[in-house]
Amino acid sequence: EVQLVESGGGLVQPGGSLRLSCAASGFTFSSYAMKWVRQVPGKGLEWISYISSNSGSIVYSDSVRGRFTISRDNAKNSLYLQMNSLRAEDTALYYCARDLFDSWGQGTLVTVSS
Amino acid sequence: QAGLTQPPSVSKGLRQTATLTCIGNNNNVGDQGAGWLQQHQGRPPKLLSYRNNNRPSGISERFSASRSGNTASLTITGLQPEDEADYYCSAWDISLNDWLFGGGTKLTVL
Repeated sequence: EVQLVESGGGLVQPGGSLRLSCAASGFTFSSYAMKWVRQVPGKGLEWISYISSNSGSIVYSDSVRGRFTISRDNAKNSLYLQMNSLRAEDTALYYCARDLFDSWGQGTLVTVSS
Repeated sequence: QAGLTQPPSVSKGLRQTATLTCIGNNNNVGDQGAGWLQQHQGRPPKLLSYRNNNRPSGISERFSASRSGNTASLTITGLQPEDEADYYCSAWDISLNDWLFGGGTKLTVL
């Protein structure tokens, strides 16, 4: 069974940093591109980053480019999102998802507030 | 105009058919096709179809997707109470280099 489990969320002050992780199991992680998507509670979905299976292609949305860094460790079956210079508008539930959005984790909540 | 446009809400009766729409442009829906996701309250999204009408295994045949020009559609037949959820379309935009989501449609089954 495909499983994606996010962790690392929490409360952080504006300007602070957090590193999210996504542990993958039940499939050959190294064969799949991965994405991060966020959702403000009660609002819609927003794609924020993509990484190809071998990390050779990385794309960011305008809203996070220059502040967030996506990475992966195929040996550890893990996906990461380093978030710097956090703003109040980054407050959301952060999901990792497999390439075609065919599998999602449960999400980890990031709250940016003083 | 960037972005994918979905109606905020649709209401249909039990066992009826609902058709949800998603309007894009030549750079996204018209070029790459669209996918559809279902999200129940408090749950992560679930993929219903990708690249127009490719259904992942386990998804009911009651869900079918199509595209006409820059408009993608999701048709749900024989509506059931468990179909009441938010539905999102998604598409890659070759001009923006962005994955886009529509604003979502809340489907109510009466």
